[in-house]
Amino acid sequence: KAGVTQTPRYLIKTRGQQVTLSCSPISGHRSVSWYQQTPGQGLQFLFEYFSETQRNKGNFPGRFSGRQFSNSRSEMNVSTLELGDSALYLCASSLDFGRETGELFFGEGSRLTVL
Amino acid sequence: DQQVKQNSPSLSVQEGRISILNCDYTNSMFDYFLWYKKYPAEGPTFLISISSIKDKNEDGRFTVFLNKSAKHLSLHIVPSQPGDSAVYFCAATGNQFYFGTGTSLTVIP
Repeated sequence: KAGVTQTPRYLIKTRGQQVTLSCSPISGHRSVSWYQQTPGQGLQFLFEYFSETQRNKGNFPGRFSGRQFSNSRSEMNVSTLELGDSALYLCASSLDFGRETGELFFGEGSRLTVL
Repeated sequence: DQQVKQNSPSLSVQEGRISILNCDYTNSMFDYFLWYKKYPAEGPTFLISISSIKDKNEDGRFTVFLNKSAKHLSLHIVPSQPGDSAVYFCAATGNQFYFGTGTSLTVIP
């Protein structure tokens, strides 16, 4: 079956702009979570959505937001971009949040560069 | 506050030898621990997990050990192969996934 699809794969923005990233989970998966990966920081949890509801949120400023649609597709938005927002943004899906099995299925990521 | 730590950013091992990747955590309430492998330009892929009620889980060449008293887990790869060269992330679950910073493993042919 098709994996997790993230679009766009690469994008370049300038400071102050906003960006929207999209994630299509594996069919049947209702949980979508987002992560920011930067060198030396590993994967930082942004938020998790399940059935269109945000269930958990990481320690990121309010400029980072997300939503989930009825078909489980998810978007994340970053407003007023800063240079430090340059990162690989990863989306992961699972049947539930995967706490018991621990298994998340990741997309290939969206590489954001802020100039 | 990094609740899951991988103190070795990189590791080099000869092909056929054992690779040992280490991970420490701070929260005793974590209930599952996992390892993910990531190749460049790809998303991480799940490798192996262990429940907090166990101390060892094995899957082929990969074994994860959990020492709860030390809040430490390790991943053993035996024998190491060049295709194992990747970045390895450990993670722990509570109300969310907490990931370490990753260890870049290079297996030298």
